[in-house]
Amino acid sequence: SSELTQDPAVSVALGQTVRITCQGDSLRSYYASWYQQKPGQAPVLVIYGKNNRPSGIPDRFSGSSSGNTASLTITGAQAEDEADYYCNSRDSSGNQVFGTGTKVTVL
Amino acid sequence: QVTLRESGPALVKPTQTLTLTCTFSGFSLSTSGMCVSWVRQPPGKALEWLALIDWDDDKYYSTSLKTRLTISKDTSKNQVVLTMTNMDPVDTATYYCARTTTGTTSNWFDPWGQGTLVTVSS
Repeated sequence: SSELTQDPAVSVALGQTVRITCQGDSLRSYYASWYQQKPGQAPVLVIYGKNNRPSGIPDRFSGSSSGNTASLTITGAQAEDEADYYCNSRDSSGNQVFGTGTKVTVL
Repeated sequence: QVTLRESGPALVKPTQTLTLTCTFSGFSLSTSGMCVSWVRQPPGKALEWLALIDWDDDKYYSTSLKTRLTISKDTSKNQVVLTMTNMDPVDTATYYCARTTTGTTSNWFDPWGQGTLVTVSS
């Protein structure tokens, strides 16, 4: 199966750390990429590859992977990090899949 | 600076064929590793990948929609076109195109176009 499963919602206190997970068989072979999407806006890439941040993405965003689970960690969450987050990977046939999405609320 | 912009009809009728165009700048779809994808998002729902075309004109489609989708490119115009046949109200969504970079162990979508909302209604 090429499905990617995420928790629907998580909350984090301002300045604290939150981990968002993504589970799927394809993650045993391929790294996930992660996207932040705010209401009414297009998704923005925040993590790709083993743990790479595009230019302009704060270093409080980091990625990791173990077995069939990929994780996005926000260390010291800020109010502007409140958004939906999606993971993405591919399968061996080259088909892409996005995760079910996690809504992050910063309290 | 890499930019992508989607264009196409805002409203289509059920059973009609949707044609969307992605016009991009700042990169070449002839460069090895470069691809363009289409992704859609129904209102209030998750992202759904639709199709990808790569620099070598290889094409990949969502398994669930492959019979309805066709992706093509015009490298000289820096455009990628997606057609989706037999449109249904459940296909109402914002449609995005995104530059896709592929590697041996990862790939990523960056940047994305602003998206275009397509409503399917009679």
